[in-house]
Amino acid sequence: QVHLVESGGGVVQPGRSLRLSCSASGFPFSSHGMLWVRQAPGRGLEWVSLIWYDGSDKYYAEAVKGRFTISRDNSQSTLYLQMNSLRAEDTAMYYCAKYDGGLGAFDIWGQGTMVTVSS
Amino acid sequence: DIVMTQTPLSSPVTLGQPASISCRSSQSLVHSDGNTYLSWLQQRPGQPPRLLLYKISNRFSGVPDRFSGSGAGTDFTLKISRVEAEDVGVYYCVQATQFPWTFGQGTKVEIK
Repeated sequence: QVHLVESGGGVVQPGRSLRLSCSASGFPFSSHGMLWVRQAPGRGLEWVSLIWYDGSDKYYAEAVKGRFTISRDNSQSTLYLQMNSLRAEDTAMYYCAKYDGGLGAFDIWGQGTMVTVSS
Repeated sequence: DIVMTQTPLSSPVTLGQPASISCRSSQSLVHSDGNTYLSWLQQRPGQPPRLLLYKISNRFSGVPDRFSGSGAGTDFTLKISRVEAEDVGVYYCVQATQFPWTFGQGTKVEIK
């Protein structure tokens, strides 16, 4: 069964850092791009970042560029999001998702992990 | 950035009746490889998003055939032929043709 499980969320003060993890199972993790999407409370979906299947290319939304870093460990089937200099506007549910290049779409989603940035 | 605009933002529907959601992009979503990377997602209350349709009109595995997609270029439509209670939620279009990938604002489908 295909599964994505996020972890690492929590309450953090503005300016501090947090690292999210996304553990994958049930599919060849090293063959697929992976991404992070966030959703602020009561709001819509916002694409955050994408990493290519082998980590060779990374893309970021302007709102997080220079503060967030996406990475992956294919030996551990795990995706990461290092979030630095956190701001109140980063408060959101963070979902990891699998990108299927053949479909050109995000076909598998995790349940999400909540990040709250507050003093 | 490509702006995705959905209408309506709210759609009260009677059970068994059809529903239609429009999604317009500020630029053509035709990729240089000839594909149009426009997908539709469903997010039920309290749940993560779920892929319904990809490349405009292709149903993802397990998606009922009452869901259909159409369109080209900058104008796209999601149709539900007969709304069922389990279809309540928010529907998003999303483009993966050009970075940054962008979502529509979402359309809330609810039962009258």
